[in-house]
This record gives sequence, structure tokens and C-alpha cells, in this order.
Amino acid sequence: GQQLNQSPQSMFIQEGEDVSMNCTSSSIFNTWLWYKQDPGEGPVLLIALYKAGELTSNGRLTAQFGITRKDSFLNISASIPSDVGIYFCAGHMEYGNKLVFGAGTILRVKS
Amino acid sequence: DTGVSQDPRHKITKRGQNVTFRCDPISEHNRLYWYRQTLGQGPEFLTYFQNEAQLEKSRLLSDRFSAERPKGSFSTLEIQRTEQGDSAMYLCASSTSGSSYNEQFFGPGTRLTVL
Repeated sequence: GQQLNQSPQSMFIQEGEDVSMNCTSSSIFNTWLWYKQDPGEGPVLLIALYKAGELTSNGRLTAQFGITRKDSFLNISASIPSDVGIYFCAGHMEYGNKLVFGAGTILRVKS
Repeated sequence: DTGVSQDPRHKITKRGQNVTFRCDPISEHNRLYWYRQTLGQGPEFLTYFQNEAQLEKSRLLSDRFSAERPKGSFSTLEIQRTEQGDSAMYLCASSTSGSSYNEQFFGPGTRLTVL
């Protein structure tokens, strides 16, 4: 089935640093989404991207939809302790109803 | 709170027992999804409803699993004769049928432990 390769698997950064993570696929998606999940909770939608090349911001978060439609990245600027959690990319194909998720990037922030 | 709600949040059961989970989607959302998430992995799609019609099922949804959405509002997911491999977080999500239908909003999940 479709797989999304998400990297890095985990990162441990200093508060105030910028963070970058990305997701690649062998399949083309028509929508890319980024979610954050805290322990014991469901994923929370951060950003949705609908067009190849689109760059979208949500506060300190910026995400881009790759022009090949097979990749996306998420940047977090000036990280703070509450940014800790697991970040998932998810792709939606043109036909079908499901989201395909990456395995997640665990973010830990040193204060 | 008008988000997706799920009940129960946690369920511990013995192998062989049946369990049922409930999901209440965001009220104006007519699309509803069930996913399963195991430790260290992203959610995996199980099934999808548009209104009361179940339109897609994953191969992950074995014969022991059944989902319903009888009136197009809340949904239930039943697992019969539970096995230890069924232990996971079961997540429900909902979305609209408008232009942003790919934006799925998740509930807090039901954590199932099969002993």
C-alpha cells in the first residue's frame, strides 16, 4: 500500500531554535496535511495544503506542498516547550477517502 | 465543546470478549472515518461513512470488526472475540463534504487493551 516516509524520526532541540521535518512518498497526493499529537490524545490538524508549490503559514508553523506532489515539509520557528509532541504528515490521494499517514516525528525541546 | 467525541476513552477487556466504541462527529460533518493507531505508528484507515452509507473498508477490517452509522450521526465500532493484537488506539475523525473535505478532524480516541 501507499507509504509516507517521514524524517527525522525524532529530534531534540534547544528552545528558540527552528525545526524542520519532511515527508516523501512514491505516490502523488492532492492534499497534504500536518497534524500534532500529544500523548493519549487524538491528532490535531495544524495545516492543510491543496496546491502543488503552495506555501502556507499558521503562526510559527510554515508548510509547503512539493511541486512534484510527492513531498511536503513543515517548519516550526522559534520553538517553545509546548511544541513537544509527535508531528504527523498525512496525504490524501485524488481518488479515495482515506488519509495515509507517516510514522511521525517526535519533537523534544530543551528549555 | 463542538469537536469530535469518543466514548469510552479507555477500555480493558479479556481476550474473546466483545467491545463497542462510540463516536460523535462534529455536528455539521456528514463524513466519518475510523482509524487504528498502534504504538510508534501513524493512524491507519479502517472505514469511511458518508451519511449512513459505509462506502469504503480497509483490508485491516477483519470479519470480527463491524461499524455502523445508522442515522448518519453517531457511529459505533464493534470488535467481536477480541484478540491481543487488537490492542491499539481507535480514532474517529469527521469532515465536511465541501471544498475542505480532506481536512479530517480527530477525536481523542479510545485506547483498547486486550489482556
